[in-house]
Amino acid sequence: VVLTQSPGTLSLSPGERATLSCRASQSVASSYLAWYQQKPGQAPRLLIYAASSRATGIPGRFSGSGSGTDFTLTISRLEPEDFAVYYCQQYGGSPGFTFGPGTKVDIK
Amino acid sequence: EVQLVQSGAEVKKPGDSLRISCKGSGYTLTNYWIGWVRQMPGKGLEWMGIIYPSDSDTRYNPSFQGQVTISADKSISTVYLQWSSLKASDTAIYYCATTKVRYSGRPGTHFDNWGQGTLVTVSS
Repeated sequence: VVLTQSPGTLSLSPGERATLSCRASQSVASSYLAWYQQKPGQAPRLLIYAASSRATGIPGRFSGSGSGTDFTLTISRLEPEDFAVYYCQQYGGSPGFTFGPGTKVDIK
Repeated sequence: EVQLVQSGAEVKKPGDSLRISCKGSGYTLTNYWIGWVRQMPGKGLEWMGIIYPSDSDTRYNPSFQGQVTISADKSISTVYLQWSSLKASDTAIYYCATTKVRYSGRPGTHFDNWGQGTLVTVSS
């Protein structure tokens, strides 16, 4: 399964809504789709698993949706600490775990 | 609280061997698989392989099979990533991460806790 993320870069201002897309080359079980946030110099952090479940401690402004081959991560109102790179990841088939190439959310 | 603490940065020459480590704490060993993820400079995340430390059941991404060896010492809750002959292209940050055991002992579907990363630099 190949994951494609769009856009590659999203330039927005604090307070705006961010919508990030993750498209799979073949259908992915919703239970098997996750989203991560990575800030410069830090390890990735799990945000969303099973397409729409927030991980422990993740603020409510982060939400995930989608099914089949199209998934979306939405940040309802961007906070300064949300400017980062976001990766989607799926589990299943070969090779097992696959990450998308990432979407960078930067400050406009 | 689950914590993964990785070994420190390494600078090696092409052809050198290397083993880096990831020590877990704050969880029951039988509840988690541990995976390794590579991040080359300025690039994205690549899953390399995963191990169940309780019995050392190991699965590799075919792209990394034969290039690295993943092992575990359950007595000290530590997982290892090993190279027998490094190449310049192995220069990257390597992360370990946990995924919970699912039914029938299978690995989980996402990585919920991450180590801080180990930078490996391979240069002549």
